[in-house]
Amino acid sequence: QQQVKQSPQSLIVQKGGISIINCAYENTAFDYFPWYQQFPGKGPALLIAIRPDVSEKKEGRFTISFNKSAKQFSLHIMDSQPGDSATYFCAASRGYQKVTFGTGTKLQVIP
Amino acid sequence: GAGVSQSPSNKVTEKGKDVELRCDPISGHTALYWYRQRLGQGLEFLIYFQGNSAPDKSGLPSDRFSAERTGESVSTLTIQRTQQEDSAVYLCASSLNRNQPQHFGDGTRLSIL
Repeated sequence: QQQVKQSPQSLIVQKGGISIINCAYENTAFDYFPWYQQFPGKGPALLIAIRPDVSEKKEGRFTISFNKSAKQFSLHIMDSQPGDSATYFCAASRGYQKVTFGTGTKLQVIP
Repeated sequence: GAGVSQSPSNKVTEKGKDVELRCDPISGHTALYWYRQRLGQGLEFLIYFQGNSAPDKSGLPSDRFSAERTGESVSTLTIQRTQQEDSAVYLCASSLNRNQPQHFGDGTRLSIL
């Protein structure tokens, strides 16, 4: 059972544009929602995370929007840059231990 | 080193052989995790260690997979009688304790011929 659904599978954005990646979860016990960034040949790196008691969290150009009633959350990358080209994974867990990952979105930012 | 270290970075082996993958967590991190990432897919949880004990082994796909951790430090993931479907990147992560975010190594890319 896939508990975290992620879309789109791939995304091409012009430099300076907004990249939006969406995720939906099923398990209402989840209380931690991180996003990871992964470059080829590297492990995932924690980008930003949110808990369900807030609807939005912003760190620099990265914003998570969270809709608890819809069981959905999304990542917005403002002013996207070529260096943002990577694969992004949403994830969810109860606590921090057994993290369930989405299937990933490959982002390409073109100049 | 400052980060999670995994070795080898790449491993090619023949079907039916046993393999051992090693993870050196960040110094002082008590929690350690193993994940599997198949090509083009997300990460699948395999096992979680708190100290040297494994309270959650629920992700291990079969009894061919086992893991241990010694000295609250290094962990080894062992796959016996490897099959082609075991081909994947095996990622290790550690965290300061069970209530902190996980930090990942760069993984071991395992290819079964």
